[in-house]
Amino acid sequence: KNEVEQSPQNLTAQEGEFITINCSYSVGISALHWLQQHPGGGIVSLFMLSSGKKKHGRLIATINIQEKHSSLHITASHPRDSAVYICAVRSGVKGAGSYQLTFGKGTKLSVIP
Amino acid sequence: DVKVTQSSRYLVKRTGEKVFLECVQDMDHENMFWYRQDPGLGLRLIYFSYDVKMKEKGDIPEGYSVSREKKERFSLILESASTNQTSMYLCASSLFAIISGRPYEQYFGPGTRLTVT
Repeated sequence: KNEVEQSPQNLTAQEGEFITINCSYSVGISALHWLQQHPGGGIVSLFMLSSGKKKHGRLIATINIQEKHSSLHITASHPRDSAVYICAVRSGVKGAGSYQLTFGKGTKLSVIP
Repeated sequence: DVKVTQSSRYLVKRTGEKVFLECVQDMDHENMFWYRQDPGLGLRLIYFSYDVKMKEKGDIPEGYSVSREKKERFSLILESASTNQTSMYLCASSLFAIISGRPYEQYFGPGTRLTVT
């Protein structure tokens, strides 16, 4: 079973700062997901990636398959970015097991005005 | 846009009651999932289903059962609720990928916060 570690667990930043959240995993994967969960519970998928880098607005996600590591960056952070960010990995095995995601425990980000 | 809805946002039940949590998705997805989320433990998979009437146990199926009679609806059942089942329950859905192994995004519902007293 894949072990997914996120760091830091909690992060407080001033508005405008550049933010990095890290995710490492122990076993090879077919894809890695970054999810955002706002207070109240709803989870939104930000990125799904299996190599390289993806960008959406102020959010950038990178993955290094060899090092089994991914980062989520937020440029020019804003208080509305305050949320829990969750990393999840999908195993590289085909079949029913390939549906399952293994989740990190999340990083709680607070952006102060 | 994919929409995944859950029957209740908040639910309070008594120990021993039978509890039904309903999830409906409107995008004709084959896969549906039930997770629970607890502080310090993250999201854990209870059950998933990859087709009508098909189900697979996840990491923590004990004390739960599921039902998928129609493609769009996936129900989680707590046969006899206990206080240690107090949690946030999240449903998700995604497209089918068993043959190609190609991963698809999971779309989550808003969650049901269940309290068992």
